Amino acid sequence: EAQVTQNPRYLITVTGKKLTVTCSQNMNHEYMSWYRQDPGLGLRQIYYSMNVEVTDKGDVPEGYKVSRKEKRNFPLILESPSPNQTSLYFCASSSLGEEETQYFGPGTRLLVL
Amino acid sequence: GEDVEQSLFLSVREGDSSVINCTYTDSSSTYLYWYKQEPGAGLQLLTYIFSNMDMKQDQRLTVLLNKKDKHLSLRIADTQTGDSAIYFCAERSYSSASKIIFGSGTRLSIRP
Repeated sequence: EAQVTQNPRYLITVTGKKLTVTCSQNMNHEYMSWYRQDPGLGLRQIYYSMNVEVTDKGDVPEGYKVSRKEKRNFPLILESPSPNQTSLYFCASSSLGEEETQYFGPGTRLLVL
Repeated sequence: GEDVEQSLFLSVREGDSSVINCTYTDSSSTYLYWYKQEPGAGLQLLTYIFSNMDMKQDQRLTVLLNKKDKHLSLRIADTQTGDSAIYFCAERSYSSASKIIFGSGTRLSIRP
């Protein structure tokens, strides 16, 4: 079954405490991306990756890092979380092209105190 | 810059057709998407259309694209209670093929 998994699903943390949200896909997709969803703002892209070791900034990259050491994994790292990073985060993977498929993870709800 | 706009709410009667509208600004958009998000869930890609098409139909869903007006719509025929969700429009542009720009979503509610 095609799947994008994220962990953890829920996280409460404090300002400045480093955290990592993992994302994994089982479809051998080259393209993966991270979004945050905030009320009234839709989804905004944080970072994306076209392939292993190829990452680039989206619209709102400040305060985030990513890595793509393996095709299936694309972790999102918050080195020093702040309250304005409280949000709902989605990871997605896609096969871009004429027959495009996209899958989103179930989301990670993060609260930074 | 690129922008995608949608109305925030739509209410329709069960069994009627729902039409959700979207406008975008990037004339170089290549793909235009519609997603569905049910409460507490991630996004599900419903359908997409290439910018060289005017219409795409998939069962109860019809997508219409007016490139001149940069207007995209999603029509759901025979709307059911299970169609209650937030619907997002999004575009991917030729100039930035890796970036997908989302609208803020339209919440569709179904009344009996």
